[in-house]
Amino acid sequence: SAVISQKPSRDICQRGTSLTIQCQVDSQVTMMFWYRQQPGQSLTLIATANQGSEATYESGFVIDKFPISRPNLTFSTLTVSNMSPEDSSIYLCSALAGGGIYGEQYFGPGTRLTVT
Amino acid sequence: GENVEQHPSTLSVQEGDSAVIKCTYSDSASNYFPWYKQELGKRPQLIIDIRSNVGEKKDQRIAVTLNKTAKHFSLHITETQPEDSAVYFCAASGQTDSWGKLQFGAGTQVVVTP
Repeated sequence: SAVISQKPSRDICQRGTSLTIQCQVDSQVTMMFWYRQQPGQSLTLIATANQGSEATYESGFVIDKFPISRPNLTFSTLTVSNMSPEDSSIYLCSALAGGGIYGEQYFGPGTRLTVT
Repeated sequence: GENVEQHPSTLSVQEGDSAVIKCTYSDSASNYFPWYKQELGKRPQLIIDIRSNVGEKKDQRIAVTLNKTAKHFSLHITETQPEDSAVYFCAASGQTDSWGKLQFGAGTQVVVTP
């Protein structure tokens, strides 16, 4: 398994500003991902954080809005840029751990973002 | 891309009874099917998973079955307890060109009443 932490756990931000969320894994992992979970909803994949190259974004998500970094095999950041109230959500990182393509995916505790 | 449908959206059961949640998927290339339990305000927690070379897997009171021909899989919880109350999500992944990407179902709110 993998132990995943995120910072901050929550934040209240003003419209038009940006917030960077950090995700730390306690061991080296091949794959890391960022998801969004709106209140009472399911999880939606934003992007795959690739180590050493640009992130791979899912349909509906773009790099200018959600820039992602992954400088090494244990750490990633997601920035929510030029925020609007529609960005209010829980943002979760995850990591595929323990067994390459047969690994299991574990989640961080999430960052609850409120945009006013 | 993959589409996962999950039913029911809510499920109320008496303590001690069984609960069954069903999911269908659209991509026949999907070969990994995890189930997550999410308590209010907490992270999704992996509770059981199954891969396409297996038809059934059991872990104490929970079990998952997979029917690849029909493209559906189910979560079974026996002897339910109040602490089983949570939202349960099924997911599917190809683990090939979409390596590790999970497509989630909409979730099932399970309420176990004493």
